[in-house]
Amino acid sequence: DSGVTQTPKHLITATGQRVTLRCSPRSGDLSVYWYQQSLDQGLQFLIQYYNGEERAKGNILERFSAQQFPDLHSELNLSSLELGDSALYFCASSVSVAEDNEQFFGPGTRLTVL
Amino acid sequence: AQTVTQSQPEMSVQEAETVTLSCTYDTSENNYYLFWYKQPPSRQMILVIRQEAYKQQNATENRFSVNFQKAAKSFSLKISDSQLGDTAMYFCAFMKQLGNDMRFGAGTRLTVKP
Repeated sequence: DSGVTQTPKHLITATGQRVTLRCSPRSGDLSVYWYQQSLDQGLQFLIQYYNGEERAKGNILERFSAQQFPDLHSELNLSSLELGDSALYFCASSVSVAEDNEQFFGPGTRLTVL
Repeated sequence: AQTVTQSQPEMSVQEAETVTLSCTYDTSENNYYLFWYKQPPSRQMILVIRQEAYKQQNATENRFSVNFQKAAKSFSLKISDSQLGDTAMYFCAFMKQLGNDMRFGAGTRLTVKP
């Protein structure tokens, strides 16, 4: 158990819908990262937040957005869903962006778009 | 941009034997971190081993060791005394120092045969 929690574990929805994925980082971690893993592929970095502020953006679609709240949990919002958005979405956390670069991964949320 | 290449989509090894997974990367950075992650069927991302580029000594964690060749930009993982529980996808990953995102390779599916 990494200490990072993600809810829900599974999500099934239809095209055109909107969903919210939630992540709670390890206690004390200020940085949260979101990754997308499509079927049998490597993880693609989406976005990072540090202490409530957006820090870096990767290959994140405009239909996707995220935020980190004052209690440091983070949400990833996916809208106008398409079949190709079906994937495993991982959240990871780390202490900071400099002192300790080890990222601890949550168990992931499996999104299925029908 | 940094890229990570894992040229072996699938590998197999007999239980108790040794196997080496290959990884190469491309970067102009001098200081960075390299990682091997294991993803078993549960889909959890588990850190196996990490290497700081400024360290010449190869990292070792029990049965897992790396061969880090900085000039060749190569970072292979050696698994000794392979166990059935080592069956998983293995991802090589790169992150810049003070980095904000990890770049993953496409993965190698390792099967340990009894």
